[in-house]
Amino acid sequence: KQEVTQIPAALSVPEGENLVLNCSFTDSAIYNLQWFRQDPGKGLTSLLLIQSSQREQTSGRLNASLDKSSGRSTLYIAASQPGDSATYLCAVSGVNYGQNFVFGPGTRLSVLP
Amino acid sequence: GAVVSQHPSRVICKSGTSVKIECRSLDFQATTMFWYRQFPKQSLMLMATSNEGSKATYEQGVEKDKFLINHASLTLSTLTVTSAHPEDSSFYICSLPRGSVEQYFGPGTRLTVT
Repeated sequence: KQEVTQIPAALSVPEGENLVLNCSFTDSAIYNLQWFRQDPGKGLTSLLLIQSSQREQTSGRLNASLDKSSGRSTLYIAASQPGDSATYLCAVSGVNYGQNFVFGPGTRLSVLP
Repeated sequence: GAVVSQHPSRVICKSGTSVKIECRSLDFQATTMFWYRQFPKQSLMLMATSNEGSKATYEQGVEKDKFLINHASLTLSTLTVTSAHPEDSSFYICSLPRGSVEQYFGPGTRLTVT
């Protein structure tokens, strides 16, 4: 059974800092890994999708890496801003459990002005 | 533009009543749709897989007689919460896979049962 964990559970940083969010998964037979952002009371905003054959994806100040063999992904946020404050969810879809996603518990990020 | 819509976005109902949530594909035909729920301060958990033309498959611990799923067409799946109770209050989100890579999530429906 796929299990996804995220560290840290919560993070508070001053504006301008670079930061790294971590995601680990137990079953490396994945189709892809996706990072989402969720604002309080809202739905999901897709940030980056990394296919199993890829090692990283970049979008603006965000960079996500994938090490499938070790079951790890990191989301790097450069020059953080107060608007980045949200919960960040990591999710994987896999060969052994169909196309649905298994989500991690999330990292709650607060960027202080 | 949006690929998936959900209706309603918010609903408040009284305990014992039933509530229907719609998930609609706006861009492509979907033979499979997924329903997730998210309790406060928790992550999303898969409830069931909705299959067009056949019965839905439910995850362990999800009561199929309480959460009725009807995949009425290739663009519409509905989730009906029957005899809702306060513990059913949650955020319900559907998603549509396209191929083995892309997946599109709806905006979610917040259900509050009083």
